[in-house]
Amino acid sequence: ETGVTQTPRHLVMGMTNKKSLKCEQHLGHNAMYWYKQSAKKPLELMFVYNFKEQTENNSVPSRFSPECPNSSHLFLHLHTLQPEDSALYLCASSQTAGVATGELFFGEGSRLTVL
Amino acid sequence: GQNIDQPTEMTATEGAIVQINCTYQTSGFNGLFWYQQHAGEAPTFLSYNVLDGLEEKGRFSSFLSRSKGYSYLLLKELQMKDSASYLCAVRSSGGYNKLIFGAGTRLAVHP
Repeated sequence: ETGVTQTPRHLVMGMTNKKSLKCEQHLGHNAMYWYKQSAKKPLELMFVYNFKEQTENNSVPSRFSPECPNSSHLFLHLHTLQPEDSALYLCASSQTAGVATGELFFGEGSRLTVL
Repeated sequence: GQNIDQPTEMTATEGAIVQINCTYQTSGFNGLFWYQQHAGEAPTFLSYNVLDGLEEKGRFSSFLSRSKGYSYLLLKELQMKDSASYLCAVRSSGGYNKLIFGAGTRLAVHP
């Protein structure tokens, strides 16, 4: 098992569909993150969870709904998305979400295409 | 605003040395990270600088000057497998681990 696992790796959905991305970390970390990576753009932080509590929502549209049932699992629920939401969605984890924590560990991402 | 700049693309020859620069303007500073990302793969951690100076780790070194808002990643003895994107990220202030990423530098290593 790799440290951070994301499923599905690829997802194609219509604008009226509802789907979910799943992330699981096996590192014993307490903080988890969702990032969006679009072509030739910087990684954009979307959400941060620390000990299951959301500590950051970076002005993300409500069509993206995160869920963190425990420190090991993170979901991103998707509904009524737009074509411009097509991107690679990366999950990451770190020991905690404090400023003294170590590096982020990333999953391989879920490539989302919205038709 | 917050801004991190790095070159979009670089090319180098196998066995050579390449330096990837990163300049930043952020609200506060709590460290600078470099990540490597091969196409279709997860970004992986390379180095971390929080104090001025050079950090060396095998073939990779990273330098930081906080007064200049500047860092570079130095890759020595380049190998073909070093062809990847290199992401510069600054941890800004704000009480928690918020990383601001540059758009990445795509490095192509040629024989």
